[in-house]
Amino acid sequence: GQSLEQPSEVTAVEGAIVQINCTYQTSGFYGLSWYQQHDGGAPTFLSYNGLDGLEETGRFSSFLSRSDSYGYLLLQELQMKDSASYFCAVILFNDMRFGAGTRLTVKP
Amino acid sequence: DVKVTQSSRYLVKRTGEKVFLECVQDMDHENMFWYRQDPGLGLRLIYFSYDVKMKEKGDIPEGYSVSREKKERFSLILESASTNQTSMYLCASSQGQGNGYTFGSGTRLTVV
Repeated sequence: GQSLEQPSEVTAVEGAIVQINCTYQTSGFYGLSWYQQHDGGAPTFLSYNGLDGLEETGRFSSFLSRSDSYGYLLLQELQMKDSASYFCAVILFNDMRFGAGTRLTVKP
Repeated sequence: DVKVTQSSRYLVKRTGEKVFLECVQDMDHENMFWYRQDPGLGLRLIYFSYDVKMKEKGDIPEGYSVSREKKERFSLILESASTNQTSMYLCASSQGQGNGYTFGSGTRLTVV
């Protein structure tokens, strides 16, 4: 089976940097993705790491270390609109399994 | 943009009813998925399909079945709805690994 662990809640102030960690145990691992979900909304795709290292997309970066079964999402220059839930997900051969999600609250 | 459309945003059904949740995608994606989302549990995979008439069980298939007669449509069926199936149901589609999944807006199902 698969298991993913990420913190349930994180709080940060506007303009700061926050890192959301994700550790996983799985077989048949192809990569790690991150999704953002605002209250009442659908999850939206943020990033995918198929190889070890850092992927950067604007203010968001995602990192993967396969040897450590670990990844993180880094959000820089936090804005109020970044308040949302963030899910890491392991990509398997034909499907994807999600963690329980991290609720990020950005305060002024 | 890929659109994934779920037929109902809110649904209230009675215990024991047969419930159909419909999902349609418009970008010719091979893969389609049904998840349910509950507070503190994240998204849990119920069933997925990687081709027409093909289906695979996810982590929590009990009490559910699916149908994929056409590539663009993936239906989730609750054979006999129970109160513990009250949840948010999310449909998604994708083309290959590494490409992001596109989710529908979800159906909030309440079974009374």
